[in-house]
Amino acid sequence: NAGVTQTPKFQVLKTGQSMTLQCAQDMNHEYMSWYRQDPGMGLRLIHYSVGAGITDQGEVPNGYNVSRSTTEDFPLRLLSAAPSQTSVYFCASSPAGTGTYEQYFGPGTRLTVT
Amino acid sequence: TQLLEQSPQFLSIQEGENLTVYCNSSSVFSSLQWYRQEPGEGPVLLVTVVTGGEVKKLKRLTFQFGDARKDSSLHITAAQPGDTGLYLCAGFMDSNYQLIWGAGTKLIIKP
Repeated sequence: NAGVTQTPKFQVLKTGQSMTLQCAQDMNHEYMSWYRQDPGMGLRLIHYSVGAGITDQGEVPNGYNVSRSTTEDFPLRLLSAAPSQTSVYFCASSPAGTGTYEQYFGPGTRLTVT
Repeated sequence: TQLLEQSPQFLSIQEGENLTVYCNSSSVFSSLQWYRQEPGEGPVLLVTVVTGGEVKKLKRLTFQFGDARKDSSLHITAAQPGDTGLYLCAGFMDSNYQLIWGAGTKLIIKP
């Protein structure tokens, strides 16, 4: 099993550009989440999904869109990149039914917006 | 706003020393997770504690959940350079299905 995969590993965007960060998992997990990690601020939840066709906003959703058409894939779209979105982005998945919501993370995408 | 405060934020010690990292909140959690993150990688789950007062051991790492399920600690005995990394705690609240993250403790173990 590959676990959670993310592409690209690194990306540089100019202000105003749009792009999609890809995330896929092969563990048949129902729950998937997108986080951003900034120095000294820990992990902040952007969007999450409890199953195919269902998404919801997290703590910092502005400027980002998600969709969940399949159990495996959960792409994150930046609509119009801003320097404040420079960060490291992590996708995570979690199996339902454990009662503890343990997260399995991908390797991350380091995004720089100039 | 629910907060989970980790301390210290940064710790640099010599190989062989002992250390403790703390995770504190005013909120009650149904469970608490500890993760370790190495540079350029995603966090990896170390342990989940569920019951108040629970103690779990993972080799030289000892995790404890407070009796009131509001706090947790991670104790490392005889630290080794391989323990270097960012340690994150996360508390799960099943009342609103939220995972609350601490800001992390950056640990450096010098040979």
